[in-house]
Amino acid sequence: EPEVTQTPSHQVTQMGQEVILRCVPISNHLYFYWYRQILGQKVEFLVSFYNNEISEKSEIFDDQFSVERPDGSNFTLKIRSTKLEDSAMYFCAIALELAGEEDTQYFGPGTRLTVL
Amino acid sequence: AQKITQTQPGMFVQEKEAVTLDCTYDTSDPSYGLFWYKQPSSGEMIFLIYQGSYDQQNATEGRYSLNFQKARKSANLVISASQLGDSAMYFCAMQTSYDKVIFGPGTSLSVIP
Repeated sequence: EPEVTQTPSHQVTQMGQEVILRCVPISNHLYFYWYRQILGQKVEFLVSFYNNEISEKSEIFDDQFSVERPDGSNFTLKIRSTKLEDSAMYFCAIALELAGEEDTQYFGPGTRLTVL
Repeated sequence: AQKITQTQPGMFVQEKEAVTLDCTYDTSDPSYGLFWYKQPSSGEMIFLIYQGSYDQQNATEGRYSLNFQKARKSANLVISASQLGDSAMYFCAMQTSYDKVIFGPGTSLSVIP
């Protein structure tokens, strides 16, 4: 099973501040995803990223959010000006290929973001 | 519209017994994949099992098996010989393209010693 790490494990920030969440796949993967889970609620899709560009995004992923792979390895999610409602667990997920069992998405351990 | 439904918000099972967690889905796409993930209290999301829509046989992974009934659009997870460590939230999810996975609301499973 592919390994994914996420840093930090927990981020506390003041409302209006910028945060960058990082995802580091251990091996080279093709597809990257960000999801969020507000406490006690279901997991929600934010954005998918393939070949260095966004392939799909949800209505949650507004102008406050951006993603990039700055060095070809790390995959980052940036929230420009955090709001209280951005408090959630943010999961990075990776997948290998398009079709077949290999397109299973494997999740990182998550970053718990707390906005005060 | 694509949707995942899990009608059991909470379930209890005796240790060493089998338990079935229900999942129904709705999609008009002919090709899709169904997943089950486990989320313990620590918060991480652990992949358990995958079933492709064209797979002829039900998927199995150790103590986990997926009871896939395509005509009924159901993909129930069966956990055999429950262990205390199985206590967690379980999410059914569906992928119809490489772009995203849609999750159900989850079922909280508690294993009783």
